[in-house]
Amino acid sequence: GAGVSQSPSNKVTEKGKDVELRCDPISGHTALYWYRQRLGQGLEFLIYFQGNSAPDKSGLPSDRFSAERTGESVSTLTIQRTQQEDSAVYLCASSPRPRIGAGELFFGEGSRLTVL
Amino acid sequence: GQQLNQSPQSMFIQEGEDVSMNCTSSSIFNTWLWYKQDPGEGPVLLIALYKAGELTSNGRLTAQFGITRKDSFLNISASIPSDVGIYFCAGKMEYGNKLVFGAGTILRVKS
Repeated sequence: GAGVSQSPSNKVTEKGKDVELRCDPISGHTALYWYRQRLGQGLEFLIYFQGNSAPDKSGLPSDRFSAERTGESVSTLTIQRTQQEDSAVYLCASSPRPRIGAGELFFGEGSRLTVL
Repeated sequence: GQQLNQSPQSMFIQEGEDVSMNCTSSSIFNTWLWYKQDPGEGPVLLIALYKAGELTSNGRLTAQFGITRKDSFLNISASIPSDVGIYFCAGKMEYGNKLVFGAGTILRVKS
C-alpha cells in the first residue's frame, strides 16, 4: 500500500496473555520505529530498526517486550504476559533515510491495545 | 527519559484567531519537528526545522527553531475548524536516532 499499515487496529486481551502487533512499512523504507502512546500523552520511543538490526532498543519497558524485523520489511512487536499498564496505542513509523534529520517519519494509524 | 515540555496543554479558540504553542527542553536538540494528530490517525509531519534560528512556514503555519537549540514554537494564523487536533513537538538530540515527543497541545476551534 501507499502508507504504513498496522494490524490489528484494535486488540482487546486478558491480562497475562501474549499479543503480537504487526507493522508493514512503506516499501523501500529502511528505517522503522515503534512508539507507544498512552491516553492523553505524547509518544514514547520503544525501538528503532535500521534494516533488520535494532541499533537502539533502549525504550522497551521490560523484558516482556520484544520486536523483530525480517526481510527489511515487516516488523512484529510482541508483548508477553500483558499487564493493564500495557494498554495504549502502539504506533509504527518508517523513514526512507537511515537518520532522522535527513528525512521525516511516516506513521501508521496505530494498534490500540486494551488489556482487561 | 528525556522530556520535552510542551505548552499549553489545550486551547479552545474562536475561528479566525491566531494560535501559538511552544516546546522547551533542558537539553540541546539539532532537529525540531511539529506533527499533527487527528483522532484515530497517526501523527502527520507539519514542519521540520534543522538549524538554530531557522524560521519556516507551511501555509498558515510558521515554526521557529530557537537560537539556544532548546526550544521551538509553532504559530497557526487565522485558525479554521479543520485545525482541530493534537499538535506534538518532537526533537532529536545530536547523538542517537530517535525522536523525543512532547505531551501534545489539544486544539479546539469554535466556529
